Amino acid sequence: EAQVTQNPRYLITVTGKKLTVTCSQNMNHEYMSWYRQDPGLGLRQIYYSMNVEVTDKGDVPEGYKVSRKEKRNFPLILESPSPNQTSLYFCASRTSGRAPDTQYFGPGTRLTVL
Amino acid sequence: EDQVTQSPEALRLQEGESSSLNCSYTVSGLRGLFWYRQDPGKGPEFLFTLYSAGEEKEKERLKATLTKKESFLHITAPKPEDSATYLCAVLSWANTGNQFYFGTGTSLTVIP
Repeated sequence: EAQVTQNPRYLITVTGKKLTVTCSQNMNHEYMSWYRQDPGLGLRQIYYSMNVEVTDKGDVPEGYKVSRKEKRNFPLILESPSPNQTSLYFCASRTSGRAPDTQYFGPGTRLTVL
Repeated sequence: EDQVTQSPEALRLQEGESSSLNCSYTVSGLRGLFWYRQDPGKGPEFLFTLYSAGEEKEKERLKATLTKKESFLHITAPKPEDSATYLCAVLSWANTGNQFYFGTGTSLTVIP
């Protein structure tokens, strides 16, 4: 079954404690992306990756890091989380052909930073 | 600046009452316009991709259309199971051509 998985699904942490949210896809997609979703602001792109070792900033990259060492994995790293990073996070993947077709989303990670 | 605006924010329909959701966009060269459905607590589920003005796509009770400035998601004879938030997103050719911009969504409630 084609899917994007994220872990953990729920996380409560404290300010300044480094954390990593993992994302993995089994569709051999080149393109992967991270979003955060906040009420009234919609989905905003944090970072995206066109392929292994190729990443670029989205709309709201401040306070986040990513890495793409393998094609299937694209972890999101918060080195010093702050309360304003409390949000619902989604990972997504798609092929990067000329016609940007379906983008598959993971189930989401709800993060609370106290 | 690339921008996506959806209206209305919320819509309540009686079962069987057809209507349309609007997505207005401003982008520096449209690479694709996407419609998603999102249920509470879940990730967005892909519905359609439209690439050029005049294009239309259909799936069950849903039909998406595209002009140079906006897209419509038409819902014909909706059922309660169509209740969800519908998201519109655009992919622009600006910069690397790989940055998505989402609207804030239309929350649809279909009453039996």
